[in-house]
Amino acid sequence: QLQLQESGPGLVEPSETLSLTCTVSGGSISSSTYYWAWIRQPPGKGLEWIGSIYYSGSTYYNPSLKSRVTISVDMSKNQFSLKLSSVTAADTAVYYCARHGRAIQLWLAYWGQGTLVTVSS
Amino acid sequence: DIQMTQSPSSLSASVGDRVTITCRASQSIGGYLNWYQHQPGKAPQVLIYSASSLQSGVPSRFSGSGSGTDFTLTISSLQPEDFATYYCQQSYSTPRLTFGGGTKVEIK
Repeated sequence: QLQLQESGPGLVEPSETLSLTCTVSGGSISSSTYYWAWIRQPPGKGLEWIGSIYYSGSTYYNPSLKSRVTISVDMSKNQFSLKLSSVTAADTAVYYCARHGRAIQLWLAYWGQGTLVTVSS
Repeated sequence: DIQMTQSPSSLSASVGDRVTITCRASQSIGGYLNWYQHQPGKAPQVLIYSASSLQSGVPSRFSGSGSGTDFTLTISSLQPEDFATYYCQQSYSTPRLTFGGGTKVEIK
Protein backbone atom coordinates (compact mmCIF):
# COMPACT_ATOMS: atom_id res chain seq x y z
CA GLN A 1 0.00 0.00 0.00
CA LEU A 2 1.43 3.35 -1.02
CA GLN A 3 2.06 5.74 1.84
CA LEU A 4 3.19 9.36 1.85
CA GLN A 5 4.52 11.26 4.86
CA GLU A 6 5.24 14.97 5.09
CA SER A 7 8.03 16.26 7.31
CA GLY A 8 9.56 19.63 8.09
CA PRO A 9 9.44 22.57 10.49
CA GLY A 10 6.04 23.49 11.88
CA LEU A 11 7.03 27.11 12.40
CA VAL A 12 8.65 29.42 9.88
CA GLU A 13 9.47 33.09 10.32
CA PRO A 14 8.07 35.69 7.91
CA SER A 15 10.24 36.33 4.84
CA GLU A 16 12.02 33.01 5.31
CA THR A 17 11.76 29.88 3.15
CA LEU A 18 9.34 27.08 4.01
CA SER A 19 10.84 23.64 3.32
CA LEU A 20 8.94 20.36 3.43
CA THR A 21 9.77 16.83 2.34
CA CYS A 22 7.43 14.03 1.37
CA THR A 23 8.72 10.49 1.84
CA VAL A 24 7.06 7.84 -0.31
CA SER A 25 6.90 4.22 0.81
CA GLY A 26 5.28 1.17 -0.72
CA GLY A 27 5.97 2.39 -4.24
CA SER A 28 8.62 4.01 -6.38
CA ILE A 29 8.72 7.73 -7.01
CA SER A 30 10.45 6.96 -10.32
CA SER A 31 7.30 5.44 -11.81
CA SER A 32 6.53 6.89 -15.23
CA THR A 33 2.81 6.68 -14.51
CA TYR A 34 2.44 9.34 -11.84
CA TYR A 35 3.01 12.92 -10.79
CA TRP A 36 3.77 13.92 -7.22
CA ALA A 37 1.97 16.96 -5.90
CA TRP A 38 1.82 19.48 -3.09
CA ILE A 39 -1.55 20.85 -1.97
CA ARG A 40 -2.32 23.17 0.92
CA GLN A 41 -5.30 24.33 2.95
CA PRO A 42 -5.09 27.63 4.85
CA PRO A 43 -7.20 27.79 8.02
CA GLY A 44 -10.87 28.22 7.16
CA LYS A 45 -10.22 28.08 3.43
CA GLY A 46 -10.32 25.51 0.65
CA LEU A 47 -7.75 23.27 -0.99
CA GLU A 48 -5.15 24.87 -3.23
CA TRP A 49 -2.89 22.99 -5.64
CA ILE A 50 0.68 24.25 -5.27
CA GLY A 51 2.43 22.22 -7.93
CA SER A 52 3.40 18.81 -9.26
CA ILE A 53 6.60 17.09 -10.33
CA TYR A 54 7.37 14.16 -12.59
CA TYR A 55 10.20 11.79 -11.74
CA SER A 56 12.25 13.25 -14.59
CA GLY A 57 12.25 16.56 -12.75
CA SER A 58 9.67 18.34 -14.91
CA THR A 59 7.68 20.71 -12.73
CA TYR A 60 4.30 22.42 -12.99
CA TYR A 61 3.28 25.20 -10.63
CA ASN A 62 0.19 27.15 -9.67
CA PRO A 63 0.59 30.50 -11.47
CA SER A 64 -0.33 32.36 -8.28
CA LEU A 65 2.67 30.84 -6.46
CA LYS A 66 5.07 30.15 -9.31
CA SER A 67 7.52 32.93 -8.49
CA ARG A 68 8.10 31.57 -4.97
CA VAL A 69 7.82 27.77 -5.38
CA THR A 70 10.39 25.12 -6.12
CA ILE A 71 9.53 21.41 -6.13
CA SER A 72 12.30 18.86 -6.51
CA VAL A 73 12.65 15.08 -6.46
CA ASP A 74 15.28 12.81 -4.92
CA MET A 75 14.88 9.36 -6.41
CA SER A 76 17.68 7.89 -4.29
CA LYS A 77 15.66 8.65 -1.17
CA ASN A 78 12.22 8.16 -2.75
CA GLN A 79 11.32 11.69 -1.69
CA PHE A 80 10.14 14.92 -3.19
CA SER A 81 10.36 18.34 -1.63
CA LEU A 82 8.70 21.74 -1.53
CA LYS A 83 10.37 25.10 -1.02
CA LEU A 84 8.27 28.24 -0.72
CA SER A 85 10.23 31.46 -0.38
CA SER A 86 9.42 34.82 1.16
CA VAL A 87 6.59 33.44 3.25
CA THR A 88 3.97 35.56 4.99
CA ALA A 89 1.15 34.78 7.38
CA ALA A 90 -0.99 34.00 4.33
CA ASP A 91 1.16 30.91 3.76
CA THR A 92 0.08 29.42 7.09
CA ALA A 93 -1.68 26.20 6.12
CA VAL A 94 -1.85 22.46 6.36
CA TYR A 95 0.41 21.18 3.60
CA TYR A 96 -0.31 17.83 1.95
CA CYS A 97 1.70 15.76 -0.45
CA ALA A 98 -0.17 13.47 -2.82
CA ARG A 99 0.06 11.40 -6.00
CA HIS A 100 -1.92 11.72 -9.20
CA GLY A 101 -1.76 9.96 -12.53
CA ARG A 102 -0.18 11.12 -15.79
CA ALA A 103 -2.44 9.37 -18.29
CA ILE A 104 -4.44 7.09 -16.03
CA GLN A 105 -5.78 7.59 -12.51
CA LEU A 106 -5.84 11.35 -13.01
CA TRP A 107 -7.09 11.93 -9.50
CA LEU A 108 -5.35 12.36 -6.17
CA ALA A 109 -5.74 8.80 -4.94
CA TYR A 110 -3.06 8.87 -2.26
CA TRP A 111 -2.39 11.64 0.24
CA GLY A 112 -0.10 12.22 3.18
CA GLN A 113 -1.71 13.00 6.52
CA GLY A 114 -0.81 16.67 6.21
CA THR A 115 1.45 18.91 8.27
CA LEU A 116 0.58 22.29 9.72
CA VAL A 117 3.04 25.05 8.96
CA THR A 118 2.60 28.31 10.81
CA VAL A 119 4.31 31.48 9.62
CA SER A 120 5.00 33.68 12.61
CA SER A 121 7.83 35.45 14.37
CA ASP B 1 -6.47 28.50 -16.40
CA ILE B 2 -9.59 26.46 -15.72
CA GLN B 3 -11.69 27.80 -12.85
CA MET B 4 -14.02 25.58 -10.84
CA THR B 5 -17.07 27.00 -9.10
CA GLN B 6 -19.01 25.01 -6.52
CA SER B 7 -22.43 25.70 -5.10
CA PRO B 8 -23.62 26.05 -2.51
CA SER B 9 -20.64 26.95 -0.34
CA SER B 10 -22.43 25.41 2.62
CA LEU B 11 -25.66 23.64 3.39
CA SER B 12 -27.52 22.28 6.38
CA ALA B 13 -29.20 18.91 6.10
CA SER B 14 -30.61 16.15 8.25
CA VAL B 15 -29.69 12.50 8.42
CA GLY B 16 -31.55 10.72 5.65
CA ASP B 17 -31.79 13.77 3.38
CA ARG B 18 -30.84 13.71 -0.27
CA VAL B 19 -28.04 16.20 -0.88
CA THR B 20 -26.89 17.63 -4.19
CA ILE B 21 -23.74 19.70 -4.78
CA THR B 22 -22.92 21.27 -8.10
CA CYS B 23 -19.64 22.16 -9.74
CA ARG B 24 -19.17 24.26 -12.86
CA ALA B 25 -16.01 24.54 -14.95
CA SER B 26 -15.03 27.71 -16.77
CA GLN B 27 -14.54 25.69 -19.96
CA SER B 28 -15.43 22.22 -21.12
CA ILE B 29 -13.45 19.55 -19.30
CA GLY B 30 -15.19 16.49 -20.72
CA GLY B 31 -15.50 13.97 -17.91
CA TYR B 32 -12.26 14.91 -16.18
CA LEU B 33 -13.88 15.76 -12.85
CA ASN B 34 -13.24 14.25 -9.44
CA TRP B 35 -14.97 14.66 -6.08
CA TYR B 36 -13.31 14.51 -2.65
CA GLN B 37 -14.57 14.35 0.91
CA HIS B 38 -12.52 16.19 3.50
CA GLN B 39 -13.11 15.69 7.20
CA PRO B 40 -11.34 17.83 9.81
CA GLY B 41 -7.95 16.50 10.79
CA LYS B 42 -7.86 13.95 7.99
CA ALA B 43 -6.51 13.86 4.47
CA PRO B 44 -9.05 14.34 1.70
CA GLN B 45 -10.24 11.15 0.06
CA VAL B 46 -11.53 10.66 -3.45
CA LEU B 47 -15.17 9.61 -3.69
CA ILE B 48 -15.89 9.88 -7.39
CA TYR B 49 -13.43 10.01 -10.28
CA SER B 50 -13.96 10.69 -13.96
CA ALA B 51 -17.27 12.40 -13.16
CA SER B 52 -19.26 9.27 -12.34
CA SER B 53 -17.02 6.37 -11.29
CA LEU B 54 -17.28 5.34 -7.65
CA GLN B 55 -13.93 4.86 -5.93
CA SER B 56 -13.47 1.41 -4.45
CA GLY B 57 -14.72 1.23 -0.87
CA VAL B 58 -16.93 4.31 -1.12
CA PRO B 59 -20.58 3.73 -0.18
CA SER B 60 -23.04 3.53 -3.05
CA ARG B 61 -25.11 6.40 -1.65
CA PHE B 62 -22.53 8.67 -3.29
CA SER B 63 -22.92 9.26 -7.01
CA GLY B 64 -21.65 11.70 -9.59
CA SER B 65 -22.92 12.89 -12.93
CA GLY B 66 -22.27 15.45 -15.60
CA SER B 67 -19.92 16.27 -18.43
CA GLY B 68 -18.56 19.30 -20.21
CA THR B 69 -18.94 22.17 -17.76
CA ASP B 70 -21.64 21.08 -15.30
CA PHE B 71 -21.29 18.34 -12.73
CA THR B 72 -23.21 17.07 -9.72
CA LEU B 73 -22.37 15.08 -6.60
CA THR B 74 -25.37 13.45 -4.94
CA ILE B 75 -25.62 11.80 -1.56
CA SER B 76 -28.84 9.80 -1.71
CA SER B 77 -29.38 9.43 2.04
CA LEU B 78 -27.11 11.51 4.25
CA GLN B 79 -25.44 9.62 7.07
CA PRO B 80 -23.81 11.03 10.23
CA GLU B 81 -20.33 10.27 8.90
CA ASP B 82 -21.02 12.29 5.74
CA PHE B 83 -20.87 15.65 7.46
CA ALA B 84 -17.73 17.08 5.92
CA THR B 85 -16.52 19.43 3.23
CA TYR B 86 -16.71 18.30 -0.39
CA TYR B 87 -14.48 19.51 -3.21
CA CYS B 88 -14.58 19.07 -6.93
CA GLN B 89 -11.30 19.02 -8.86
CA GLN B 90 -10.61 19.08 -12.58
CA SER B 91 -7.93 16.87 -14.08
CA TYR B 92 -8.50 17.95 -17.70
CA SER B 93 -5.39 20.08 -17.61
CA THR B 94 -3.26 17.51 -15.75
CA PRO B 95 -0.69 17.99 -14.31
CA ARG B 96 -2.14 21.45 -13.61
CA LEU B 97 -4.97 20.85 -11.18
CA THR B 98 -7.76 23.10 -9.91
CA PHE B 99 -10.13 22.63 -7.01
CA GLY B 100 -13.54 24.10 -6.46
CA GLY B 101 -14.05 26.29 -3.42
CA GLY B 102 -15.67 23.52 -1.39
CA THR B 103 -19.12 22.80 0.02
CA LYS B 104 -19.45 22.33 3.76
CA VAL B 105 -22.25 19.96 4.71
CA GLU B 106 -23.48 20.64 8.23
CA ILE B 107 -26.05 19.09 10.51
CA LYS B 108 -29.45 20.78 10.56
